[in-house]
Amino acid sequence: DAGVIQSPRHEVTEMGQEVTLRCKPISGHNSLFWYRQTMMRGLELLIYFNNNVPIDDSGMPEDRFSAKMPNASFSTLKIQPSEPRDSAVYFCASSSTAGSGNQPQHFGDGTRLSIL
Amino acid sequence: GIQVEQSPPDLILQEGANSTLRCNFSDSVNNLQWFHQNPWGQLINLFYIPSGTKQNGRLSATTVATERYSLLYISSSQTTDSGVYFCAVSRSGSARQLTFGSGTQLTVLP
Repeated sequence: DAGVIQSPRHEVTEMGQEVTLRCKPISGHNSLFWYRQTMMRGLELLIYFNNNVPIDDSGMPEDRFSAKMPNASFSTLKIQPSEPRDSAVYFCASSSTAGSGNQPQHFGDGTRLSIL
Repeated sequence: GIQVEQSPPDLILQEGANSTLRCNFSDSVNNLQWFHQNPWGQLINLFYIPSGTKQNGRLSATTVATERYSLLYISSSQTTDSGVYFCAVSRSGSARQLTFGSGTQLTVLP
């Protein structure tokens, strides 16, 4: 079975450019999470969706960040305009709420973003 | 929010040795996962263990939810076990997002 698929794997761009990160969750999973990993702050949640609806976006740093989930099989995280401090590894994860309502999260391989 | 503390922060072992990693958390949880982040940066699911004990080959984990801690045991360590081990939890209730500990950096020497 295919896991969580993220693209691109690596992105290098200049400050001020728009960056779009993409995620395809595991088929049948109805929850999707975006996390960011930095040396200073470790792994932290940015936003999560349940049934394509944003539930908690309190981790989104500022208005330059936006996330969408137009359907059950696709999500994007956009940064516009990008800044050097946005450089990090961005992970997407998905899980199911079947059964007990809280199932393990499965992570993609991440997107390593460098803003010059 | 919930606090997650992992210990030790760093661990260096000789190949073949055993080790125990600890995760303490500050509130009741409905999800606890152990991950291994390999040198390529991938987060590999090791265990989903909000309570009880599980084993998978040389690895096993125990969570004592009433006392708010979890342990990850690695036996007969191999160089490929090197990397960072993370514990992550979701607080009981409606919250579903994972809060991660700061990790244990494990180095296994040949």
